[in-house]
Amino acid sequence: SQELEQSPQSLIVQEGKNLTINCTSSKTLYGLYWYKQKYGEGLIFLMMLQKGGEEKSHEKITAKLDEKKQQSSLHITASQPSHAGIYLCGADDGNNRLAFGKGNQVVVIP
Amino acid sequence: NAGVTQTPKFRILKIGQSMTLQCTQDMNHNYMYWYRQDPGMGLKLIYYSVGAGITDKGEVPNGYNVSRSTTEDFPLRLELAAPSQTSVYFCASYGGTGGLEQYFGPGTRLTVT
Repeated sequence: SQELEQSPQSLIVQEGKNLTINCTSSKTLYGLYWYKQKYGEGLIFLMMLQKGGEEKSHEKITAKLDEKKQQSSLHITASQPSHAGIYLCGADDGNNRLAFGKGNQVVVIP
Repeated sequence: NAGVTQTPKFRILKIGQSMTLQCTQDMNHNYMYWYRQDPGMGLKLIYYSVGAGITDKGEVPNGYNVSRSTTEDFPLRLELAAPSQTSVYFCASYGGTGGLEQYFGPGTRLTVT
């Protein structure tokens, strides 16, 4: 089965600083999905990456897919308190199902 | 559209009791999924369905049952609740075309004591 390792498990950043989190797959990535979860709430879809080298941005969040490394990174520029939460990556297992990593917990301090 | 809705939001069960977690989506999605999320463990797939009348086991199906009689509804049944089933349960749906973007419900927080 496909396993996704997310690193770092948790990080604390000061408001205004940049941060990067990573998601590494044990198998070839056919599609990589980033979600954000606030405590006690459901998952909100952020971005989908399907092609090697693909890069997408939304507001201050940029996600990249490195097909050779079987890895995706999510970069947040000038972090704000609204960026705090758990970021989960999910990979398409080829059968219309997503396998998820354990998440990156992000804390933004004023 | 309401999207994916789940009821109840919270529930406390005694060991051995049964309950059904409800999930409804109004997007006419064929694919529906049930996940459980334990602290620090990400999401584990319990059961999923590719359409009305079709269900299949995911990674952690033991202790659960599902049915899919309509496109909209995908209830999850716990027959004999055990403390190991204490978790947060999420339902999700997917349209079946394009990317595998799943839409998630707000979750049900279940405690079994």
